[in-house]
Amino acid sequence: AQTVTQSQPEMSVQEAETVTLSCTYDTSESDYYLFWYKQPPSRQMILVIRQEAYKQQNATENRFSVNFQKAAKSFSLKISDSQLGDAAMYFCAYRGFYNQGGKLIFGQGTELSVKP
Amino acid sequence: DTGVSQDPRHKITKRGQNVTFRCDPISEHNRLYWYRQTLGQGPEFLTYFQNEAQLEKSRLLSDRFSAERPKGSFSTLEIQRTEQGDSAMYLCASSRSGLPTDTQYFGPGTRLTVL
Repeated sequence: AQTVTQSQPEMSVQEAETVTLSCTYDTSESDYYLFWYKQPPSRQMILVIRQEAYKQQNATENRFSVNFQKAAKSFSLKISDSQLGDAAMYFCAYRGFYNQGGKLIFGQGTELSVKP
Repeated sequence: DTGVSQDPRHKITKRGQNVTFRCDPISEHNRLYWYRQTLGQGPEFLTYFQNEAQLEKSRLLSDRFSAERPKGSFSTLEIQRTEQGDSAMYLCASSRSGLPTDTQYFGPGTRLTVL
């Protein structure tokens, strides 16, 4: 069975600085997708960024980028120029490529606080 | 394009009562998912529908839980004889199959408190 682990329950960053959130996963599959979702307090979860495992190039979305290390089964999220609005719970999630249902397997989450 | 909506947003009930939650997906999405999220944890998959067919159920979904999507549009999740351990946030998500990554869009959730 696939598992996703986020070993940092809480992280803190100064506004305008850079922070990296860690995620590791375990799978025997060769093709899959990885996601980072953001869940602000009392608000709904939104997709931040996604990565296809067959792509060697790391995904980027504006200030958000990932460091995908397939051999190490590591998928970290880097947030550059942190803003107050980035404060939220961040969840790493896995989806198998051949999983017809497309269900997501989530990590435990990392709570990010941004200090002004 | 309205997002995924869920109703009610909050539900407080007494142990032993039945509760029902509703999820309205994004209109063109044929897949609908239910997840449960307890405090301090990531969401856990419960079940999913493709159109009106329920294609997968987690072992977390005990006999007291039932989900329907009768016309392939909105879905309901019913919990019978609620227990205190059912207290959680129930999240609904929808997606459109056939796309390369089939991104799931989440609703705001229904927070259930069982007294």
